[in-house]
Amino acid sequence: DTAVSQTPKYLVTQMGNDKSIKCEQNLGHDTMYWYKQDSKKFLKIMFSYNNKELIINETVPNRFSPKSPDKAHLNLHINSLELGDSAVYFCASSQVRGAEAFFGQGTRLTVV
Amino acid sequence: AQKVTQAQTEISVVEKEDVTLDCVYETRDTTYYLFWYKQPPSGELVFLIRRNSFDEQNEISGRYSWNFQKSTSSFNFTITASQVVDSAVYFCALSGYSGSARQLTFGSGTQLTVLP
Repeated sequence: DTAVSQTPKYLVTQMGNDKSIKCEQNLGHDTMYWYKQDSKKFLKIMFSYNNKELIINETVPNRFSPKSPDKAHLNLHINSLELGDSAVYFCASSQVRGAEAFFGQGTRLTVV
Repeated sequence: AQKVTQAQTEISVVEKEDVTLDCVYETRDTTYYLFWYKQPPSGELVFLIRRNSFDEQNEISGRYSWNFQKSTSSFNFTITASQVVDSAVYFCALSGYSGSARQLTFGSGTQLTVLP
C-alpha cells in the first residue's frame, strides 16, 4: 500500500497546455502539500492545505491551483504551461502542519 | 522568515569512512522542528528524523546519528562507516510553529557520494 501516491510519474506536454497532477494519501493525514524541485534539486513549498486553510507561497504563479475534493486528495492544476514549469513536483502529507511530511514519488513534468 | 543552510554542496567519501553533513538554520520561532530527508538516485524523498526545539538530546539510529545544538543553530547528521547505498542527496528542513511557518523549509541539499 503506497502511503502517498501521485499520477502520472512522468508528464511531457507542450507550452500553453493545461495539465493536472493527481495526489492521494491513505495515511489519514489532515494536511497536504505541493512542492516543486528544480533542476538544482532545490525544494520549494508551493501550497499547504487542510480542510480549513490554504496557504499559498506568494511566489507561485496563479496559473497553478490546488484542488481538494476531499481530505485524502490534493490535485495540482496548471494552466498555460511554460518552459520554466519543467521540474519535479512532489505531493506530501502530514498529520498536522509542522509534523514530518511523507512524500509521493514525484511527477517529472517536462514542457516542450 | 525561516532559512536552512547546507553549505556542503557535494561530499565524496570512501566506503567505511565516517561523514558529517552540516545544517544551520534560522528562525524567529521559539518552538520549531528540524528534519532530515534522504533522496536516493531513484528520486523519492525518505523521512529520516524529526526533532523539536526543546529536545537537544543527540539521537542515534544504527549508523546514523544527529547532533542538535541550539547555541549554534545547527542540526548535523553523521553517518558512521558509510556504505555505497548511503549515496544520495540529503536535505535538512525546518518547520515553525505558527501560521505560514508551519510548513517545511528545505536547505539546498548535500549530494553524498560513497565510493567503493
